[in-house]
Amino acid sequence: GESVGLHLPTLSVQEGDNSIINCAYSNSASDYFIWYKQESGKGPQFIIDIRSNMDKRQGQRVTVLLNKTVKHLSLQIAATQPGDSAVYFCAENMNDYKLSFGAGTTVTVRA
Amino acid sequence: DAGVTQSPTHLIKTRGQHVTLRCSPISGHKSVSWYQQVLGQGPQFIFQYYEKEERGRGNFPDRFSARQFPNYSSELNVNALLLGDSALYLCASSPIPGDKSYGYTFGSGTRLTVV
Repeated sequence: GESVGLHLPTLSVQEGDNSIINCAYSNSASDYFIWYKQESGKGPQFIIDIRSNMDKRQGQRVTVLLNKTVKHLSLQIAATQPGDSAVYFCAENMNDYKLSFGAGTTVTVRA
Repeated sequence: DAGVTQSPTHLIKTRGQHVTLRCSPISGHKSVSWYQQVLGQGPQFIFQYYEKEERGRGNFPDRFSARQFPNYSSELNVNALLLGDSALYLCASSPIPGDKSYGYTFGSGTRLTVV
């Protein structure tokens, strides 16, 4: 089975609120994780990444948290906007050549 | 700068036919990876190429093959198409395999429909 998965397949959030998307992974040896956003008809778009020697990393309106103890990854989006509506994937870098993706979480922003 | 470009954007093939998909990586990137994304699922790794050599292969049958050219562009070939091969085929490029300072940049994909 897949080593990377998301806790919830869908998330509905009010515009302006913060969003939290969760991801569980099973390979404790993984050392690099990436969050992607995919809009309809497009390829995955890089959002933010984090290496296993870090617990937290911040970008523009986004924060990724890594908890290696429970093998959990989360993406926080501040002040969610309509343009944030998309499918979000976490991906685990394995063996330096392969990304392993979960099934994705569909985020819908309510006006 | 141009991103990762893939062609064609859409195509329809009949079962048993052959298809070739093309990818041009970001200028300066030497590694190209191919992924298959079935509707409603996350992308699944097919191949990675670096410096014209296969560096990794996913759990796909031998009907799937690929190659990389001296200019680092790549082709994905699928023989004896099955209905289950219908998917979005994505190409990703990176400067070198597993470059953790840059990540992987994906193209918009080729939507393949097998009828």
